[in-house]
Amino acid sequence: SQQGEEDPQALSIQEGENATMNCSYKTSINNLQWYRQNSGRGLVHLILIRSNEREKHSGRLRVTLDTSKKSSSLLITASRAADTASYFCSRGSTLGRLYFGRGTQLTVWP
Amino acid sequence: AAGVIQSPRHLIKEKRETATLKCYPIPRHDTVYWYQQGPGQDPQFLISFYEKMQSDKGSIPDRFSAQQFSDYHSELNMSSLELGDSALYFCASSSTRTEQFFGPGTRLTVL
Repeated sequence: SQQGEEDPQALSIQEGENATMNCSYKTSINNLQWYRQNSGRGLVHLILIRSNEREKHSGRLRVTLDTSKKSSSLLITASRAADTASYFCSRGSTLGRLYFGRGTQLTVWP
Repeated sequence: AAGVIQSPRHLIKEKRETATLKCYPIPRHDTVYWYQQGPGQDPQFLISFYEKMQSDKGSIPDRFSAQQFSDYHSELNMSSLELGDSALYFCASSSTRTEQFFGPGTRLTVL
């Protein structure tokens, strides 16, 4: 992957549980963005965290960033069946192109 | 709110044929990006345009070309199609070069 690695590659949980996905990257960043993709559909922007930020919240989403470890994590609290999707982290370049990780396939069982 | 529009949504072509994919960005967005996502793969950047000029180029085959028109819509032209070109092709638009808004994608199948 151009971006780095995400783990786990697949995560299966029950509704109401929390889901944590991790992302590592290889080079310095201006920002890190998380996207969701329902099967075969378009990518939906979830949250952007800048390199000078350590944590960011949006509804049930919490993103952390550790630039010293070149890693980020996405936490989805109180998951729902509708959260079932692939989740990608991406690093943005100065010209705007996004480098995506391989993604985590999250399955939330009712 | 208006979103990115891509057409067609599905396209089936034979090997060695040509395909044209269209993208209509969100109004007032000046930058368009194209990505290719193979089966089970992460999206890979192809090319981008800012104010109708090519601004960045990624791993786009020489058989592919693209442009952005005066109304800011963009077209991706793919010639001499190969089986390996079968993929989802996404267009994204942006006004800030940070947050990108993705279209629903065009699923290209090459037989």
